[in-house]
Amino acid sequence: GDSVTQMEGPVTLSEEAFLTINCTYTATGYPSLFWYVQYPGEGLQLLLKATKADDKGSNKGFEATYRKETTSFHLEKGSVQVSDSAVYFCALRTNNAGNMLTFGGGTRLMVKP
Amino acid sequence: EADIYQTPRYLVIGTGKKITLECSQTMGHDKMYWYQQDPGMELHLIHYSYGVNSTEKGDLSSESTVSRIRTEHFPLTLESARPSHTSQYLCASSASPGGTMNTEAFFGQGTRLTVV
Repeated sequence: GDSVTQMEGPVTLSEEAFLTINCTYTATGYPSLFWYVQYPGEGLQLLLKATKADDKGSNKGFEATYRKETTSFHLEKGSVQVSDSAVYFCALRTNNAGNMLTFGGGTRLMVKP
Repeated sequence: EADIYQTPRYLVIGTGKKITLECSQTMGHDKMYWYQQDPGMELHLIHYSYGVNSTEKGDLSSESTVSRIRTEHFPLTLESARPSHTSQYLCASSASPGGTMNTEAFFGQGTRLTVV
């Protein structure tokens, strides 16, 4: 079946540091890939997405590139801020199993001033 | 901003009580979902619906039940709450225009349930 594996957290960085959160996936067919962010006490919000190989999703300084050859969708940001502290979820969606979203386990990011 | 709402945001209730967590969306989405989020953050799909009068159990076994009588409304009910039901519950919805898998899911703010 489909699965998503994320690097375990928490990830602790100083402000303005470079961020990478690794995400790899296993899927039948050609999935769409998503990154969601969950701020404390809130639900999930879509951060960015990519729907085909080599697409780059970007939003709020975050980027992720759909790499079919390595089945990866790593999240990056050049300079993190304290306000980026949150939990980040990688997810995929395929035409299998009724278009269900499959989530990774989440990675908590803590940014210190 | 997503138009999907969950009530209540927080609920503390005694063991054995019946509770209903409400979820409504105004986007006309046909698909709706309930996730349970454990303290380790992982999301577990417990129920989903493809449309009115359609409900299915998710990957994680749950003692809760759901109904989908109207497109916009997808309540979750626990007939007899237990401490093991203490968790964060997240509702989500998505469209599926032409069966595309490119559309994202929109999430409510969640209900944090504590059973004492």
